[in-house]
Parts: sequence; structure tokens; C-alpha cells
Amino acid sequence: ETGVTQTPRHLVMGMTNKKSLKCEQHLGHNAMYWYKQSAKKPLELMFVYSLEERVENNSVPSRFSPECPNSSHLFLHLHTLQPEDSALYLCASSQDRANEKLFFGSGTQLSVL
Amino acid sequence: KNEVEQSPQNLTAQEGEFITINCSYSVGISALHWLQQHPGGGIVSLFMLSSGKKKHGRLIATINIQEKHSSLHITASHPRDSAVYICAVADMDSNYQLIWGAGTKLIIKP
Repeated sequence: ETGVTQTPRHLVMGMTNKKSLKCEQHLGHNAMYWYKQSAKKPLELMFVYSLEERVENNSVPSRFSPECPNSSHLFLHLHTLQPEDSALYLCASSQDRANEKLFFGSGTQLSVL
Repeated sequence: KNEVEQSPQNLTAQEGEFITINCSYSVGISALHWLQQHPGGGIVSLFMLSSGKKKHGRLIATINIQEKHSSLHITASHPRDSAVYICAVADMDSNYQLIWGAGTKLIIKP
């Protein structure tokens, strides 16, 4: 148990669906991250929030929409996804920055049909 | 050329063997992470270091800043150590960006 909880663990959706991924941490961390992990590729940083403000946005398609309503919760809203978006989506948190220990959730395995 | 290179990509060894996984990087960093990922996805942070050496149980991590190289060692390896081990470096020019290695898949046979 890392202290970071992601739901759901698995998600299958059609290209016209709208769904949301949820991440929750009660570690008192200020930075929260969304990562995408595709098969046989390194992790890709998608979004970073620090103190509920988006601080990084790595050229992610607009069909992915993050939301950070408070410092403990992070969402990734999904709409009109493509099959190539099928991947493991991981949430992580750190106290403030990336040169501090990272805590990861178990991930959401997403399949887009 | 990737900015973070791990070797080997795959490693199979017998239980009890001493394991070494290497990570080389080409950028200036503020810290280097070693992480472990088991089948099913969850990633666990093993070490974060910016100099010298750290030890936790049977795991040892070292870093040589001048040579831009780090190693992860596992002593008395066990089948439960089977996982993917990932090296990631914190870019010194960014507060939040990590540059990730591709991972080393380790299998320890009983």
C-alpha cells in the first residue's frame, strides 16, 4: 500500500464513451502526476499539478482532460478516445518536486475498443 | 540516443545470484530514482539518490555523478525479486520532469 489509490483498476470503453479516472492521496503531498505507460515504452508524463494548479502539460491531446479539485484528488476525464490510447495510466504524488520520493497508485489498465 | 539508458534489457538468473542493473544518463540531474514494477502495474520507489550509495535490505544503489552512471545491486536474489526495474532521472532544469529508462526485466528462477 503506497498511500495513493486509483480507481478503477480496469476500464474498457468505446471510442464514443466518456469516462473518468480517479486518484486519491492522503499523504499530504503537494504535487500529483498523471503518467501513461504503453507497452514496451518508457513512462510518459502527461500532467502535473502542484497545489491544485496545473504546472506541466506535455502536449497531450485534448481528449484527455485533467482536473484537480483539491490537493488530495486528481481526475483524468476521457472522451472520444482512440484505440492507440489503450495503455496503463498511473497516478503518482510527491511532496513538492520530482527530485523527491514518488508514490504511485496501482494504475488503471485502459482498453479502447 | 535515449537520455537514460538501462542495461541489460532482460536478465534471467538463478536464485541466490548477485544481480547488477546499470543506468547511464546524459543530462544534468538533481536526483536519480530506482523503482520496481511488478506484473499488474503498481510501481514502488526503491531508492532516490543524488550521490554515493544507499542500502535497504538486500538492495544497494550507487551513483557516480562524474561518470553519469548508477547501478542497482541485489544480493542473494530470490524469485520474489522478479520484476521490472526502472531508472529515472530528475532533470535539473525542471521541478517536475523525470526522464525514464525503458526498464530491465528481471526473472529469478528457483
